[in-house]
Amino acid sequence: GQQVMQIPQYQHVQEGEDFTTYCNSSTTLSNIQWYKQRPGGHPVFLIQLVKSGEVKKQKRLTFQFGEAKKNSSLHITATQTTDVGTYFCAGPRGNEKLTFGTGTRLTIIP
Amino acid sequence: DSGVTQTPKHLITATGQRVTLRCSPRSGDLSVYWYQQSLDQGLQFLIQYYNGEERAKGNILERFSAQQFPDLHSELNLSSLELGDSALYFCASSVAAGANYGYTFGSGTRLTVV
Repeated sequence: GQQVMQIPQYQHVQEGEDFTTYCNSSTTLSNIQWYKQRPGGHPVFLIQLVKSGEVKKQKRLTFQFGEAKKNSSLHITATQTTDVGTYFCAGPRGNEKLTFGTGTRLTIIP
Repeated sequence: DSGVTQTPKHLITATGQRVTLRCSPRSGDLSVYWYQQSLDQGLQFLIQYYNGEERAKGNILERFSAQQFPDLHSELNLSSLELGDSALYFCASSVAAGANYGYTFGSGTRLTVV
């Protein structure tokens, strides 16, 4: 079945450094979504990408959808302590539900 | 407040018992999804309902069942509980069926089986 893998599983960065997480699907996706889960919190929807090669920005966050629509990345520029959390990508499995990636846990070293 | 309400927030129960988790979706959302998140693990899909009907099923154990009521709230029933069922259970809702819409998650129910 479809799997959505993310790398790295963990990332520790100094505050102010950049951070990137990568998401890879075994199948072509109609869309990819990104979520952030703060420690002790619940996943929060960040963005959805639909088009091949699409790039979207939200302040210091840049999201990309691969040309083949099988991979995606999230890049954070100049990380801040508020960026701490686990970032999940998610893609449709069948038509009805999202399959979530394994997640990347980001820790910021002040 | 995400608009998705889950109760209770915490639940501690003994092995072999049965519990019911409740979810009220965000106003206007017709789809409800249940996910399980074990300690430091990802989100495992359990089941989806849309407008009262079951639409998709994941690796949900036979000891678990769910339903969505006419007012669109949903309940997840977990029976014959085992230690391994201890986890965070999230409910999410979206405006329509399908995976082309962002999900809004509730704050979860933390279940501890002792």
